[in-house]
Amino acid sequence: LAKTTQPISMDSYEGQEVNITCSHNNIATNDYITWYQQFPSQGPRFIIQGYKTKVTNEVASLFIPADRKSSTLSLPRVSLSDTAVYYCLVGDIGGFQKLVFGTGTRLLVSP
Amino acid sequence: GAVVSQHPSRVICKSGTSVKIECRSLDFQATTMFWYRQFPKQSLMLMATSNEGSKATYEQGVEKDKFLINHASLTLSTLTVTSAHPEDSSFYICSAAPGGGETQYFGPGTRLLVL
Repeated sequence: LAKTTQPISMDSYEGQEVNITCSHNNIATNDYITWYQQFPSQGPRFIIQGYKTKVTNEVASLFIPADRKSSTLSLPRVSLSDTAVYYCLVGDIGGFQKLVFGTGTRLLVSP
Repeated sequence: GAVVSQHPSRVICKSGTSVKIECRSLDFQATTMFWYRQFPKQSLMLMATSNEGSKATYEQGVEKDKFLINHASLTLSTLTVTSAHPEDSSFYICSAAPGGGETQYFGPGTRLLVL
């Protein structure tokens, strides 16, 4: 299982764009990159998933360079409600492979 | 996305008693479900992989006789904490995947407090 490394914490202000980078040097060919968001006392919530290049949905964008050894989650114009812990995970797309959570990034959005 | 539920959302029990937590996939079938434990201010720790119709696979350091897992149907997995002690107090979360290339979806979690 590929290990991931993220910043422990980040601070931002409302309305700003936030980019959280994750390193996964040992990513395997079949691995996809998935980001989850977790609020206190709740289960993680799926944000976005990608394999290479760029993926965008209604809440975020995911940038993956050609070597796939890192990825960047981009949250446009964050609000106070985006304050949460964000986890980057790497695993097989099949969904049946166990996921190993790293430390995650604690994002604090201030007014 | 797919929906995973857990019951109960929180439970308080006395030391020495057993507690059962249910994990259900509401709109899909899941041959595999996962159980995690999360202590305050820490990340999720995988406890075991629950396989429908067969024995669960436990992570190193997780006592299989203490954390009993039963995956009796394609939509239900249960985790029973036997003879619970205060150190078992934690946030327990399950996850499941619909398959077909979709990622895992997580339940809302169960807060267990052992007095």
